[in-house]
Amino acid sequence: DQQVKQNSPSLSVQEGRISILNCDYTNSMFDYFLWYKKYPAEGPTFLISISSIKDKNEDGRFTVFLNKSAKHLSLHIVPSQPGDSAVYFCAASATSGTYKYIFGTGTRLKVLA
Amino acid sequence: KAGVTQTPRYLIKTRGQQVTLSCSPISGHRSVSWYQQTPGQGLQFLFEYFSETQRNKGNFPGRFSGRQFSNSRSEMNVSTLELGDSALYLCASSPGDSSETQYFGPGTRLLVL
Repeated sequence: DQQVKQNSPSLSVQEGRISILNCDYTNSMFDYFLWYKKYPAEGPTFLISISSIKDKNEDGRFTVFLNKSAKHLSLHIVPSQPGDSAVYFCAASATSGTYKYIFGTGTRLKVLA
Repeated sequence: KAGVTQTPRYLIKTRGQQVTLSCSPISGHRSVSWYQQTPGQGLQFLFEYFSETQRNKGNFPGRFSGRQFSNSRSEMNVSTLELGDSALYLCASSPGDSSETQYFGPGTRLLVL
């Protein structure tokens, strides 16, 4: 049972345009969400997080939106740069006791110059 | 602050052997989690240790085990290796609270022949 789903395995975007990566979850107990970026042969790097008490969090070019009623979050990258090309994972956690993160299967973003 | 370190970075073993992987968390971090990454499967949670105690466990067979030492360093052991255990094994540390962001090491790439 995949509790966190990233239904798009890959995405190509032109440099300078917006990249939108999506993530859906099924467990209503999840209340903390993160996005990670992963380059080949490296560990995932933390990008941005959001708590369920918010519906938006912004950090530079990266914005995460959370729609609790739809159990959906998205990561917006504006403007996209070639260096953003990587695999992006979303992760969810229920802070009330499980102490573990559930990760999606990742979306490979390719930003075309 | 130094990041999460994992040793060795690469490992080749044969079926039936056992392997031990090591993880040193960020200084001051007390929680260490282990993940297995295989193509198309995302990051699968193995287990999490906090203050030398296993706090949470994923759905992996008993061949996968771990421990944490008093200095928060952690080891993961896989016994009776199978071909399907070939994967990237990632370790992540966080200060301790389940709501806190995890920071990943570069991973250990295990190949089972």
